Amino acid sequence: EIMLSQSPGTLSLSPGQRATLSCRASQSVDSTYLAWYQQRPGQAPRLLIYGASRRATGIPDRFTGSGSGTDFTLTISRLEPEDFAMYYCQQYDSSLFTFGPGTKVDL
Amino acid sequence: EVQLVESGGGLVQPGGSLRLSCAASGFNFISYSMSWVRQAPGKGLEWLSYITTSSSTIYYADSVKGRFTISRDNAKNSLSLQMNSLSAEDTAVYYCASYLISLHAFHYWGQGILVTVSS
Repeated sequence: EIMLSQSPGTLSLSPGQRATLSCRASQSVDSTYLAWYQQRPGQAPRLLIYGASRRATGIPDRFTGSGSGTDFTLTISRLEPEDFAMYYCQQYDSSLFTFGPGTKVDL
Repeated sequence: EVQLVESGGGLVQPGGSLRLSCAASGFNFISYSMSWVRQAPGKGLEWLSYITTSSSTIYYADSVKGRFTISRDNAKNSLSLQMNSLSAEDTAVYYCASYLISLHAFHYWGQGILVTVSS
């Protein structure tokens, strides 16, 4: 089973700053099956990035996904107030889906 | 407008059972695989189960295998999760989510429904 870890656990930043979130897998992940989600407090998760680097419909271009193998990154170029939230990476392999523990982007 | 609306949650005693439902609208339900994902209070997301469009393939997380059963009714645009032998560790908000094969990601999410297992 592939495990995902995310770092840092919390990222304390201000609006306008750049956020760099890391997702590391215990084994190599097919980039096709690597996605990122945003979850605001009290809301359901929302798909941001699929295929490691493709933005979902309606996602602003300040969100960028990159990486391959075991190391993936979500970058938010300039934080907007609505971007302060939890972010989860997720992968699929061998009939199992797993989520990382999340990174909280905090003010 | 795309909607996934969960129902059937609530308070249940340890060892009890509960059946969750998810009503889908605003998109072509039969074209999407579906999943259940839960989130314990203050915790992260945990995938539970997955079912393909025709119900021909079903997966479960080890944590619920043998206790939970996923099913769907394409004629009614609905997804279900039968949960048996519940324990306090199953207390969580349960989300239904559509899985779009072309994206290989959970595309649409419901608003979630709270299940509390307590005596």
